[in-house]
Amino acid sequence: GAVVSQHPSWVICKSGTSVKIECRSLDFQATTMFWYRQFPKQSLMLMATSNEGSKATYEQGVEKDKFLINHASLTLSTLTVTSAHPEDSSFYICSASAAVGTEAFFGQGTRLTVV
Amino acid sequence: GQQLNQSPQSMFIQEGEDVSMNCTSSSIFNTWLWYKQDPGEGPVLLIALYKAGELTSNGRLTAQFGITRKDSFLNISASIPSDVGIYFCAGHPNTNAGKSTFGDGTTLTVKP
Repeated sequence: GAVVSQHPSWVICKSGTSVKIECRSLDFQATTMFWYRQFPKQSLMLMATSNEGSKATYEQGVEKDKFLINHASLTLSTLTVTSAHPEDSSFYICSASAAVGTEAFFGQGTRLTVV
Repeated sequence: GQQLNQSPQSMFIQEGEDVSMNCTSSSIFNTWLWYKQDPGEGPVLLIALYKAGELTSNGRLTAQFGITRKDSFLNISASIPSDVGIYFCAGHPNTNAGKSTFGDGTTLTVKP
């Protein structure tokens, strides 16, 4: 149980385009989903926390208009990187938690390369 | 914000050796989690700890939630090549918050 699926696993896009990444909890309902960014050989940097049906809470320094997060249902959250630039290239990972304060389970990550 | 200090940053060990890594915090956490991340993959939960003093095992892995609630350690016994990866600790400050703070990770290399 507790499977989180992220799609796509990797994506290459042109500078200026937008990219959508999906995060789904397959066998449980996720009240809260988290989006992280990870640079090579570094830890996970939390970008935002999203609760189903409400607006995401962004961490300091993360541009809301750049990284659009939607948590429309208890099993799906999406992250859209708008007007992508090469510096947005990174490994993006989501996690989902069934209840507040419990452990979160991670998706397999999405490698974004902006050319 | 809260910070976790994870050590060591990296370890190079021989297959069969035991490994120990730990995390400390300046503030109290009510939950400690240990994850392992393979290259190009998301972290996988290894052990979750919810109670101060709790000692939990998962196969060759053992983790403890420190009595002060400000630290946790992870031990791996009789390491094997597939233990290679990055190990992260994470803490929840309270049971009403789903957001974890992550350590910087310990990179483990196991030589056959």
